[in-house]
Amino acid sequence: DSGVTQTPKHLITATGQRVTLRCSPRSGDLSVYWYQQSLDQGLQFLIQYYNGEERAKGNILERFSAQQFPDLHSELNLSSLELGDSALYFCASSATQGVSYNSPLHFGNGTRLTVT
Amino acid sequence: KNEVEQSPQNLTAQEGEFITINCSYSVGISALHWLQQHPGGGIVSLFMLSSGKKKHGRLIATINIQEKHSSLHITASHPRDSAVYICAVRSGSGTGNQFYFGTGTSLTVIP
Repeated sequence: DSGVTQTPKHLITATGQRVTLRCSPRSGDLSVYWYQQSLDQGLQFLIQYYNGEERAKGNILERFSAQQFPDLHSELNLSSLELGDSALYFCASSATQGVSYNSPLHFGNGTRLTVT
Repeated sequence: KNEVEQSPQNLTAQEGEFITINCSYSVGISALHWLQQHPGGGIVSLFMLSSGKKKHGRLIATINIQEKHSSLHITASHPRDSAVYICAVRSGSGTGNQFYFGTGTSLTVIP
């Protein structure tokens, strides 16, 4: 058990809709990372938050946004959903304190999003 | 352009064989991760490397920073090692990190 909790496990929704994915990091971890894994693109880094602030951005679409709350849980919001957004969305956490670049990653089990 | 290249894409081995998966990268890195993803989808971080070599049980990971290359070795492979192995490089310093991923190596170990 990584200690990282993602909800929901599965989500089925229609095109044009908006969904929110939730991630609770491992206790004490300050960094949360979001990744998307689709069949045709593999794993891609979306965005990182550290202690409530956005710290790095990857291939995140403008229709997607995220935030990290004071209790360190994070939410990834996906709007105007398209068929191509169907994917596994993972979050990972790292760093109990200080810099996070040399801290191990702990992954959640992912949320499988299906857009129909 | 892929910042991270992995080889081979697919690998089938007999139980007990020694296995090597290679990863080359083109960006400056602060760390390299080897990840394991089982058919159920969950991802486990096996190693995080910034230099040298690490060993955990039958798994060994090495990195050559000058050559921008890393290898993951599995000694005495077992069917339970069947999974997708993904190389990921972490770029950045301080508290902000970018990640780039290889496309993964699908390993099947036959009893």
